[in-house]
Formats: sequence, C-alpha cells, structure tokens
Amino acid sequence: GENVEQHPSTLSVQEGDSAVIKCTYSDSASNYFPWYKQELGKRPQLIIDIRSNVGEKKDQRIAVTLNKTAKHFSLHITETQPEDSAVYFCAAFYNQGGKLIFGQGTELSVKP
Amino acid sequence: EADIYQTPRYLVIGTGKKITLECSQTMGHDKMYWYQQDPGMELHLIHYSYGVNSTEKGDLSSESTVSRIRTEHFPLTLESARPSHTSQYLCASSEYGGSTNEKLFFGSGTQLSVL
Repeated sequence: GENVEQHPSTLSVQEGDSAVIKCTYSDSASNYFPWYKQELGKRPQLIIDIRSNVGEKKDQRIAVTLNKTAKHFSLHITETQPEDSAVYFCAAFYNQGGKLIFGQGTELSVKP
Repeated sequence: EADIYQTPRYLVIGTGKKITLECSQTMGHDKMYWYQQDPGMELHLIHYSYGVNSTEKGDLSSESTVSRIRTEHFPLTLESARPSHTSQYLCASSEYGGSTNEKLFFGSGTQLSVL
C-alpha cells in the first residue's frame, strides 16, 4: 500500500550538533522525495527535495540522501540552530494515483 | 502577490451542520490538494484535483466532497459535521510537473472545531 514511515517522532539536540531524520517508502516506482518544515502555528514549507536519479543533494546546512534499493531517504541538518526547531515531514510521490504521501512528522527541538 | 488563501481561518460549529471550507490560489497552479492535520501531526490526504472537473479521493475522503469548477478555486464540503472532524484543514497547490516535481505550496489552514 501507499505508506511513508518516518523516524524518530521526536528529536532533541544541542545547538551545533547534527540531526538526522529517516524515512522509508513502500512503492519502488516513487521517484520524488521532498522534505517540508512546519514551524509552530505556521504552514508547511518545502526546504529541500531529491529525485531518484540523484543519491545526495545539499543546500547549505541541509542535505538529503536517497537509497533507492533500500527504499529509504534521510534528512541531515548540520550545525543546528534554535531556529531549526520545528516539525519536519518527509514525503514520497506515488505514481499510481499521482499523489504526495507524507510521513508522520518529526518534532525537532534544538536547545541553546 | 501570488498566494493560496483559505477561509475561514477559524470555525466553531455544532454537530450535524453542513460546512464548506474555501480555498483559492492565485499561483496559476493546476493541481490542488486538501489535507487534514492535527497540530504538529501527520498530514492525511483527503482529496486532490489535477485541474478543472477533476477530483480524486485520498485516504479520508468518505465524509467530505470537493468540486473544481474553476482552476483557482477548490472548496471542501462536510455534509454533516461531527466532533471527530475537529482538526486543521490545509489546502495546497502545485504546478503539476509530473512525478518528479510535485512542489506543494500550502495555505494557512482552517482550524475547525465541532461541538
């Protein structure tokens, strides 16, 4: 079935440390994997995405890796800052039905 | 400024009422979505649309309906509201780029409380 599993559900790190969030998906035909950040009381916003023809993508302190064989992808945030505190959602595009399915979310807390 | 607008921002209603949540976008996007989200929790797909006269069902579609008569407008209707419908409803749009470019832009949401 269409499913995206995301772990952990909560993550607490010290400022300056790295944070890693992992997701797995069920449809091997999926080929687009975005990550969204949702600050408290705000709307989700796209922060980075990766397509299946790429294994890794970086944008400043944020990177995403994709392992198509294992059907999992991860978000890496380096040198975390308090403003990184938010709920992060991974997602996978399911070709059958043409829809974006989200993971359960990870609440990241960066302590100063 | 191009954006996606949802009204009302907050709504409190009684059980059994029929309600319509409004969503309009000035982004010029073809595809639109409705998601249900409890605060900080998973986004559950309710309905989506590829364009005018297109509507598709998501996982939570059984208790609501949508219509897409105009490209910019995608209203969600609950025929008979129940306390279990209490949640935040997020509308989103994307410039449909096929399976490798589904970048969603979200509205600010409607917070619904059913008493």
